[in-house]
Amino acid sequence: TQLLEQSPQFLSIQEGENLTVYCNSSSVFSSLQWYRQEPGEGPVLLVTVVTGGEVKKLKRLTFQFGDARKDSSLHITAAQPGDTGLYLCAGARGPAGANNLFFGTGTRLTVIP
Amino acid sequence: SQTIHQWPATLVQPVGSPLSLECTVEGTSNPNLYWYRQAAGRGLQLLFYSVGIGQISSEVPQNLSASRPQDRQFILSSKKLLLSDSGFYLCAWSRGGVGQPQHFGDGTRLSIL
Repeated sequence: TQLLEQSPQFLSIQEGENLTVYCNSSSVFSSLQWYRQEPGEGPVLLVTVVTGGEVKKLKRLTFQFGDARKDSSLHITAAQPGDTGLYLCAGARGPAGANNLFFGTGTRLTVIP
Repeated sequence: SQTIHQWPATLVQPVGSPLSLECTVEGTSNPNLYWYRQAAGRGLQLLFYSVGIGQISSEVPQNLSASRPQDRQFILSSKKLLLSDSGFYLCAWSRGGVGQPQHFGDGTRLSIL
């Protein structure tokens, strides 16, 4: 059973369009992270959101943590080909000293020039 | 600064052969260490994690094993590889504590023939 479900699974858009990726769960998380992964490489952290309702902006990327800390969204404005990649959300919960970061199912984004 | 090294980058092995993938971290002490497997373009499946030397937790029953002989060394092994062991293997480290981001190596592409 996957703790975090991402939608859509695949997304192909034209350069300049806007898009939103969703990360949903029935569980509450103490924080949530977003990663981007390019082919042949490991995921790289983009942002961490900690407070329910928190919004963080990273240039054209806007991340929001749900009020109940169960879900998150990533919105990209005016997508560019360089945004192409696999986007992964990851929620943190549970005790320290154990595995406490749970990754989502991933969204594969392709931005067509 | 901290770095993580994972090797080899690619590996082609026959069915039934042994496996040893190595991961080392530099610039930090007592990190949490993780091995993941990733299906093509999809999310991460956690295989093993370790919070200290000699402490290994397995997330899924499988044909693989992990060891942590030194504080910053994590090894993924198999005595006899199966076709189903093919995939992209990622090593990661994090600091202890809930919600710490994970930092990934560049992965090993393993093909079983």
